[in-house]
Amino acid sequence: QSVLTQPPSVSGAPGQRVTISCTGNSSNIGAGYDVHWYQQLPGTAPKLLIYGNTNRPSGVPDRVSGSKSGTSASLAITGLRAEDEADYYCQSYDTSLTAFVFGGGTKVTVL
Amino acid sequence: QVQLQESGPGLVEPSQTLSLTCTVSGGSVSSGDYYWAWIRQPPGKGLEWIGYINFRGSAYYNPSLKSRITISIDTSENHFSLKLTSVTAPDTAMYYCARNYGSGSYSWYFDLWGRGTLVTVSS
Repeated sequence: QSVLTQPPSVSGAPGQRVTISCTGNSSNIGAGYDVHWYQQLPGTAPKLLIYGNTNRPSGVPDRVSGSKSGTSASLAITGLRAEDEADYYCQSYDTSLTAFVFGGGTKVTVL
Repeated sequence: QVQLQESGPGLVEPSQTLSLTCTVSGGSVSSGDYYWAWIRQPPGKGLEWIGYINFRGSAYYNPSLKSRITISIDTSENHFSLKLTSVTAPDTAMYYCARNYGSGSYSWYFDLWGRGTLVTVSS
């Protein structure tokens, strides 16, 4: 059971928009800690996709965006492409656990 | 560019100690801007932060693993290491080293990852 809750899977047709939610509580996201997102392509290491809730590292396309409100955050991918098929993880810090915490991961499938 | 590379045995016997090293190339572990972290991922499961260390040797561990973990750093060799004692089958996982960057008091993230090394606990 992960501290941050994500849907196990989402899917969409090419060109469509998908969103992934990440729900925490008052000890992590709700305490003001930023949410970060990682993309893990099959058989590879995770890669930073969004940092500081909304910021994209160099090289990440602007069809990927992040947001945060209250005790939750979301990742949106518009113009879905086959190359977006991957697992996506949210991450924050939990002050009660005194640990970095991850969501359980969401598998994105392009139909 | 900066790269991280994990190394160590791929098979560890139950009750023994898992030892891994992460070598940093193209950059220095002595940079005061970063912490150097270990993260693991059991097969088919999610990510778990193990702990991290800075160039001064100040280490912080996941409380769920704290009694079994030691993370150390060698600035002369430009690498940092993980030791996990008394391993059992649930410790079987892909182990990643990563660079952690802090942007203010409420924002820390892992901006660079190694490729990972699979460690299996089995006799």
